[in-house]
Amino acid sequence: ETGVTQTPRHLVMGMTNKKSLKCEQHLGHNAMYWYKQSAKKPLELMFVYNFKEQTENNSVPSRFSPECPNSSHLFLHLHTLQPEDSALYLCASSAGGLQETQYFGPGTRLLVL
Amino acid sequence: AQRVTQPEKLLSVFKGAPVELKCNYSYSGSPELFWYVQYSRQRLQLLLRHISRESIKGFTADLNKGETSFHLKKPFAQEEDSAMYYCALKNAGNKLTFGGGTRVLVKP
Repeated sequence: ETGVTQTPRHLVMGMTNKKSLKCEQHLGHNAMYWYKQSAKKPLELMFVYNFKEQTENNSVPSRFSPECPNSSHLFLHLHTLQPEDSALYLCASSAGGLQETQYFGPGTRLLVL
Repeated sequence: AQRVTQPEKLLSVFKGAPVELKCNYSYSGSPELFWYVQYSRQRLQLLLRHISRESIKGFTADLNKGETSFHLKKPFAQEEDSAMYYCALKNAGNKLTFGGGTRVLVKP
């Protein structure tokens, strides 16, 4: 699959588990993003990485820990989550800079029990 | 702070009828506005952006800075237009803020 891929597509975890979400983009982009899409809220930006450097943390709780080892990969490490963290987590990438379109992955649907 | 408001959660129209999705924004700078669409079981994808001033799949949207609006319009809706539509604003820092989304249902 080309474009932006995310794994796993579905994840069920307990509140004491540790898991990681993975995003990979095959577009040669320099910026990557994590978004949270809850059932009753607008899409929320969580983190922004530009050239592997975190440029934005949108007041996200520390139980979410992003990692960007290179411009093509982005991880979201999860630990001690709460049931209200259940949502669709979307990754996106863009070439970077103003005026650039973001391309979204299919998302990981997370359920925290 | 920037904000995007889509007042309608659901729009239900008949095939062939016009459809207009409302989007209002608040932002102190010069915004860039987008419409994203998510069809059933597909990923979120860009529909159009105001700087392109183009028509995609028959949809158009005009940025009205006086009214701080960026409404999406299509004169004749088709069944395949049924989807979730999100208006989004990008600030100078490349941060996208999304509206709450409008579900469009086009009935035969």
